[in-house]
Amino acid sequence: DAKTTQPPSMDCAEGRAANLPCNHSTISGNEYVYWYRQIHSQGPQYIIHGLKNNETNEMASLIITEDRKSSTLILPHATLRDTAVYYCIVRVNDYGQNFVFGPGTRLSVLP
Amino acid sequence: NAGVMQNPRHLVRRRGQEARLRCSPMKGHSHVYWYRQLPEEGLKFMVYLQKENIIDESGMPKERFSAEFPKEGPSILRIQQVVRGDSAAYFCASSPRAMRYNEQFFGPGTRLTVL
Repeated sequence: DAKTTQPPSMDCAEGRAANLPCNHSTISGNEYVYWYRQIHSQGPQYIIHGLKNNETNEMASLIITEDRKSSTLILPHATLRDTAVYYCIVRVNDYGQNFVFGPGTRLSVLP
Repeated sequence: NAGVMQNPRHLVRRRGQEARLRCSPMKGHSHVYWYRQLPEEGLKFMVYLQKENIIDESGMPKERFSAEFPKEGPSILRIQQVVRGDSAAYFCASSPRAMRYNEQFFGPGTRLTVL
């Protein structure tokens, strides 16, 4: 699976959009971009995933560049409860594949 | 629909004892994954099981660790003769048999402390 690079930490003001970047310059054509988050030592929580089109759900939006070498997770109106470690993971979608979690980005939403 | 359940949530063992961690996947899920998270580190994959079968155990330590997912009952991660370095949070995740995108649902974890 391709390697990802994320900033170790970011701050965001409550109510503002949080934009979390991820670089995956070695991504291959059949690899998806997944985002998970882990709130204070709880189990990781799935957020969103995509292949090449931008995706949106009730939690977030995922913007993938046209060359697929990077992506951005957007939390449109961050709340204090969004403070967590966010993991960007790139992997093939073969059934049964495990996820490889890197160090992620520690997002702090500030009041 | 209840989520992935793990018990116990906290487990304390002395060096040399055995630790048994249990994971009940979500209803309808027949695939289970175990991950370990050491303090201040990311999650590391350990093992992937389907009912009665170990599919991928490439992340399991070669000794003292074993896992099973019997036909009936929860998946069990067993650590024999625990050492202090086994102290960690152990997370279980499950996915359904035929989900196209293989999203994994994680449990709350078991925090193992070895004294």
